[in-house]
Amino acid sequence: DAKTTQPTSMDCAEGRAANLPCNHSTISGNEYVYWYRQIHSQGPQYIIHGLKNNETNEMASLIITEDRKSSTLILPHATLRDTAVYYCIVRVAGTASKLTFGTGTRLQVTL
Amino acid sequence: NAGVTQTPKFQVLKTGQSMTLQCAQDMNHNSMYWYRQDPGMGLRLIYYSASEGTTDKGEVPNGYNVSRLNKREFSLRLESAAPSQTSVYFCASSEHRTSTFRDTQYFGPGTRLTVL
Repeated sequence: DAKTTQPTSMDCAEGRAANLPCNHSTISGNEYVYWYRQIHSQGPQYIIHGLKNNETNEMASLIITEDRKSSTLILPHATLRDTAVYYCIVRVAGTASKLTFGTGTRLQVTL
Repeated sequence: NAGVTQTPKFQVLKTGQSMTLQCAQDMNHNSMYWYRQDPGMGLRLIYYSASEGTTDKGEVPNGYNVSRLNKREFSLRLESAAPSQTSVYFCASSEHRTSTFRDTQYFGPGTRLTVL
């Protein structure tokens, strides 16, 4: 699986959009970009994933650059409950293989 | 629909004791996984089961055994616990539909294990 690079931490004011970047310059053509988050002491929670097109669901939007070397997770209206560690993971889908969790980005949403 | 459940939530063992961590999912998923997470670190895969009747080693399998009891249940056993196995253990499951690339993993709440 390709390696990812994320900032260690970010702050965001409640109600504003949180934009979390991820670099994955060695991504292969069959690798998807997945985002998970882990709220303190809980199990990781799936957020969204995509291959090359932008994706949106009820939780977030995923913007993938045309060359697929980087992506941005967008939480459109961050709340205090979005405070968590966010993990960007690149992997081949459908292989029943591990998710490689790096250190992620610690997002702190403040009043 | 409970998703992925794990028991127990907390456990304290003495060095050398054995125990089994239980995991069950009610989503009719084919694949199941066991991860461990040490303080301040990401998750590491211990074992996984791509489908009922199969198991494979992950990154850190030493000191553990697993059993895929049926499609719903996947247990993790520590035969002789060591302090280095103090960690939070997460079970996960995924549909593993290769034809549609829907392989999202869903996690349980975790078991916090301390080995003294």
